[in-house]
Amino acid sequence: GQNIDQPTEMTATEGAIVQINCTYQTSGFNGLFWYQQHAGEAPTFLSYNVLDGLEEKGRFSSFLSRSKGYSYLLLKELQMKDSASYLCAAMDSNYQLIWGAGTKLIIKP
Amino acid sequence: DAGITQSPRHKVTETGTPVTLRCHQTENHRYMYWYRQDPGHGLRLIHYSYGVKDTDKGEVSDGYSVSRSKTEDFLLTLESATSSQTSVYFCAISESPGQNTGELFFGEGSRLTVL
Repeated sequence: GQNIDQPTEMTATEGAIVQINCTYQTSGFNGLFWYQQHAGEAPTFLSYNVLDGLEEKGRFSSFLSRSKGYSYLLLKELQMKDSASYLCAAMDSNYQLIWGAGTKLIIKP
Repeated sequence: DAGITQSPRHKVTETGTPVTLRCHQTENHRYMYWYRQDPGHGLRLIHYSYGVKDTDKGEVSDGYSVSRSKTEDFLLTLESATSSQTSVYFCAISESPGQNTGELFFGEGSRLTVL
């Protein structure tokens, strides 16, 4: 079957660094997505990885290892506005997205 | 921001009544999706469309139907609402899943409560 696993909740301190992990199992693979979702709002696109390695975009970076079925989202210099849920999603061979349940990130001052 | 609007944004209805949610886009994107989001679950695909009058089922399509008569509109209908369909419904669009990043742009969501 197809499956995405990510931690349910994480807590971090303002100004620190946090890494949110995601493991996936899909029938075929066409990329790994990260979305951010603030409470009561729609998800918004953060990053896309299809090749192994690290993609950096400002304070956010995303890493992919296809052989391990593993990705992580790295958030640096955490700000209070980063408090949100972070959704991991893998695209299968039919270009359908398989979604994780999301990781709720709580930032403390 | 991608031009996607959902209506209604909030609705309370009773078991057994029909409900239609509307998604309207101004981006001329080919693909449109309806998802539901419930606590403890990832986004779950209900139905999607890959063109006018071209639709297909997602993983949780039972009890739902869709129609797409124009590129810009994608309707989700609950023929006879049940309490298990209480959820937040998101519409999403994309140009093409296989092109560029294939990212989805989401509407603001429609919160449906079935009593």
